[in-house]
This record gives sequence, structure tokens and C-alpha cells, in this order.
Amino acid sequence: NAGVTQTPKFQVLKTGQSMTLQCAQDMNHNSMYWYRQDPGMGLRLIYYSASEGTTDKGEVPNGYNVSRLNKREFSLRLESAAPSQTSVYFCASSGNRASGQPQHFGDGTRLSIL
Amino acid sequence: QKEVEQNSGPLSVPEGAIASLNCTYSDRVSQSFFWYRQYSGKSPELIMSIYSNGDKEDGRFTAQLNKASQYVSLLIRDSQPSDSATYLCAVKNEYGQNFVFGPGTRLSVLP
Repeated sequence: NAGVTQTPKFQVLKTGQSMTLQCAQDMNHNSMYWYRQDPGMGLRLIYYSASEGTTDKGEVPNGYNVSRLNKREFSLRLESAAPSQTSVYFCASSGNRASGQPQHFGDGTRLSIL
Repeated sequence: QKEVEQNSGPLSVPEGAIASLNCTYSDRVSQSFFWYRQYSGKSPELIMSIYSNGDKEDGRFTAQLNKASQYVSLLIRDSQPSDSATYLCAVKNEYGQNFVFGPGTRLSVLP
């Protein structure tokens, strides 16, 4: 049972380059999330998708875009990478909005912007 | 701004002792509470969920919830060096889509 799968696991980019982080879940969850985690900052929500076809901004959306491709997949795109976006990125998923079910996390993508 | 607060630690306990981790939250309508463990360089891993006032036990872990005091705690009995990690408290209300995470408490269990 794979759970939440993120690709790639590591990436180094140059300032101004673009890239897409991929996330897929096989738990038939409706909700998916993208977080970044920086030392001393905890988990900060970038974007979330309550259900297929919907996306909403979180706490730190600037510089990012997302696509909920289908129920399984939720991608995060950096259009023009900046050194401030160096971070560890986690994708998570959870059941229905009012169900109270917990989030399950992928293994993360460690991204460095030079 | 809905907030979840935790002592940042580090909290150091000797092997075999009880580790007590605390979390307070500001949103009174919070309904679901979670504890995650995160080892260095790894992703958060769910260890406990609690929804009702009182205690919930799972092996060496006990979660305690007091909604009136807006307080949730995690007790780890017979602490082991393998319990050394950062523990994240997360809170969700029935109406909100999002989970609010605390900053985490770093626990160090000394052999």
C-alpha cells in the first residue's frame, strides 16, 4: 500500500528555473494538500484541494501554482524558482472534509534553489 | 488567526521515564486532534488521533484531551531512545478544511 507518493525526492534548481512537484495518493481521499517545512517555521500550508476540480490558497501561496489533475493527483509548480523557495515540500491527503480523518504525508521533496 | 502552540523544547528525559508533551489551541470549535511524530529528515507520521474529552491509550502512548481548557497532551510511557523525534500537534474543526499544526516539540530520550 503506497499511500502518498511524491516525486522527485531531491532536486536542485537554478534561480529562475521552473519545475513541477508531483503527488499521487491511492487511498481514495478527497482532500489533498501541499506544505513546505523550513527550520524553525513548522509546516506551512501552500495550497489545498478539498475535492477534484477545486483548489484554494493556504498560508504561503505566492510563487506557486497547483493543479488537481484528478482525484489521485495534485501537483505543485514553481514557475520561476527563487532561493527563498529552498525547502522541504510535503504533500498530504485526508478523507472527507467533515470526517475528522487525519492527514497522511508523503516522504517529501527536498528542493534547493541556487 | 487560529493557533496551536507547543513547547519547542528540546525536552530531554531518561530512558524508561514518562515523556509529557503539551499542546494548546485557540479555536474553540476544534473537533479533531492529532499527534504526529517526525524523525529528522523524514515526513510526519500519525501516531494518535483523539476526538472526545478524556484519555485514549495505544500501547505506550496516551493522548489526553480537555476541550474546556483547549488542551491536548501526549504521554509516552517507558520512553526509548527510538522515541527521540519532533512531535507535532495538529488540530482540525468540523467546518474548516485545513489542519492547523503546532511548531513541534523536540524530544530527546537519553540512554
